[in-house]
Amino acid sequence: DGGITQSPKYLFRKEGQNVTLSCEQNLNHDAMYWYRQDPGQGLRLIYYSQIVNDFQKGDIAEGYSVSREKKESFPLTVTSAQKNPTAFYLCASSMSSGSYEQYFGPGTRLTVT
Amino acid sequence: KQEVTQIPAALSVPEGENLVLNCSFTDSAIYNLQWFRQDPGKGLTSLLLIQSSQREQTSGRLNASLDKSSGRSTLYIAASQPGDSATYLCAVMAGGYQKVTFGIGTKLQVIP
Repeated sequence: DGGITQSPKYLFRKEGQNVTLSCEQNLNHDAMYWYRQDPGQGLRLIYYSQIVNDFQKGDIAEGYSVSREKKESFPLTVTSAQKNPTAFYLCASSMSSGSYEQYFGPGTRLTVT
Repeated sequence: KQEVTQIPAALSVPEGENLVLNCSFTDSAIYNLQWFRQDPGKGLTSLLLIQSSQREQTSGRLNASLDKSSGRSTLYIAASQPGDSATYLCAVMAGGYQKVTFGIGTKLQVIP
């Protein structure tokens, strides 16, 4: 079955530690995205990538970093510089032509204490 | 700056009722509009996507319409079922990959 996987589902970290969230897709999509979801707010774009080895900052990139070494993978690192990292993180992918319909993974809930 | 508003924020209906969820956006220069469903603690599931040149899309009991000139979209759910209980989100894409704006969603509860 084609889809997007994110791991882990739940992640707990101490303040000051960097943490990396995994996102893998087998939909053969060129574009991949990372969003953050907080209660009472719409999803906010952190980073997006249109092709391998290229990515751009979204609206709230400060304190985050990404890499895109393979078409299938787009890991997100939450660094200690992110002031309020506790949130639900969602990865998505889409084709880079046509409808651009976005498909989402199951999400990772990160709790930093 | 694009803003997306969804009204109502929450809705509770008895099973079997037909219902309409609303989504409005401030900038009509959009590429597409996508409706999603989100269950608690889960990712988003794509329901329907309407391209800017289209007026509506249908899938089963769901029908989404788009009126770009007035900046509105509606999601019509026919014969609602308890399994339809979820949060419904709309998202507007305008021109570039980074310009996807999401609404906060409408939380729907269908009572058996």
